[in-house]
Amino acid sequence: RKEVEQDPGPFNVPEGATVAFNCTYSNSASQSFFWYRQDCRKEPKLLMSVYSSGNEDGRFTAQLNRASQYISLLIRDSKLSDSATYLCVPKGGNTGNQFYFGTGTSLTVIP
Amino acid sequence: DAGVIQSPRHEVTEMGQEVTLRCKPISGHNSLFWYRQTMMRGLELLIYFNNNVPIDDSGMPEDRFSAKMPNASFSTLKIQPSEPRDSAVYFCASSPVTAGNTIYFGEGSWLTVV
Repeated sequence: RKEVEQDPGPFNVPEGATVAFNCTYSNSASQSFFWYRQDCRKEPKLLMSVYSSGNEDGRFTAQLNRASQYISLLIRDSKLSDSATYLCVPKGGNTGNQFYFGTGTSLTVIP
Repeated sequence: DAGVIQSPRHEVTEMGQEVTLRCKPISGHNSLFWYRQTMMRGLELLIYFNNNVPIDDSGMPEDRFSAKMPNASFSTLKIQPSEPRDSAVYFCASSPVTAGNTIYFGEGSWLTVV
């Protein structure tokens, strides 16, 4: 069973649209959660942390449901520059410091 | 501040040759990770170190792969002998060992084995 499951997409949305990505994780002991963004031929970079109460950073909103082991990311008012792959990352594992990456969800924002 | 530094950035080698990838983590970070990324399998954790000690190497594909961290500022990932299926991007990342800490990636080493 994979540690992290994400819909690979691709999601193709027009500028200004709202788009949501979902992710499930298998390790119930995971303690911290993150969304990373990866541009083509670049390294992954932190987009935002995900807190139990849900959190917002500008146009981005992240939610966590520990009971269902489910994480989501909502992007409002999509911009062309949002085009990238979005990676869901629970942190945990047997030693508590392993970061598990999903295969990512590809987003293309169309003019 | 300098980020995670990897070398080489690109390498093309022939099957059977030894490949050594190098990484310098962010100063002060206690944990170092090696990941491999391919289109088919995404980002796979190969091995990670805490305070220079290998903690989990269950992701290392086989005996042809080995990793070392002789000190807090340097790590290597070696493939010997290399095979075409090892072609991938290899990322090194580092992280401080604190609650809620995140992970920072180098720019990757793009390996092609022909």
